[in-house]
Amino acid sequence: AQKITQTQPGMFVQEKEAVTLDCTYDTSDPSYGLFWYKQPSSGEMIFLIYQGSYDQQNATEGRYSLNFQKARKSANLVISASQLGDSAMYFCAMRGSVSSGSARQLTFGSGTQLTVLP
Amino acid sequence: GAVVSQHPSWVICKSGTSVKIECRSLDFQATTMFWYRQFPKQSLMLMATSNEGSKATYEQGVEKDKFLINHASLTLSTLTVTSAHPEDSSFYICSARRASTGELFFGEGSRLTVL
Repeated sequence: AQKITQTQPGMFVQEKEAVTLDCTYDTSDPSYGLFWYKQPSSGEMIFLIYQGSYDQQNATEGRYSLNFQKARKSANLVISASQLGDSAMYFCAMRGSVSSGSARQLTFGSGTQLTVLP
Repeated sequence: GAVVSQHPSWVICKSGTSVKIECRSLDFQATTMFWYRQFPKQSLMLMATSNEGSKATYEQGVEKDKFLINHASLTLSTLTVTSAHPEDSSFYICSARRASTGELFFGEGSRLTVL
């Protein structure tokens, strides 16, 4: 079974500062993918960044980077130069390998509500 | 990018009525679609996996007779909440898996309020 843990129900960050949102995971799959999504108050899920378990380098997408530490089973999201529009709920998610049968759906963490302060 | 459209985006209905929510992939074929339910300030919980041309696979604890899922074509899956009750009020989100690449795309969500 897969499990995603986000231990920060809420986070505050000053505008223009960087913030790290924590995510740890547990899986027995040898191959898996880790995702971060942003969900603003309107509800839609916005894909931010993806990290494959065999990727050698940490993923980066603009102001988003993923601090992937495989041995510690953590995949923290770093948002640099926070903007007011970054205020939203952020979800970490995992997708397992085809062989495990869990490849097809995402398992989500409980989310972190980020508030960017002016 | 790929677009997944959900309709309606919000619906209010009376207790006892049935409500149908559509999930449509607009510019790609989706052999698999997923339906999630999200309560306020909580995570997305997978309800069922919908495969084109076959019966949906429901997660444990989800009543298949309550939440009817149909995936009649490669671009459309529907979720019907039958005999809705106030406890069914929730945010329902679908995601579609692009057949050619395996990528997942989410719909905008549908907010159901049962009075």
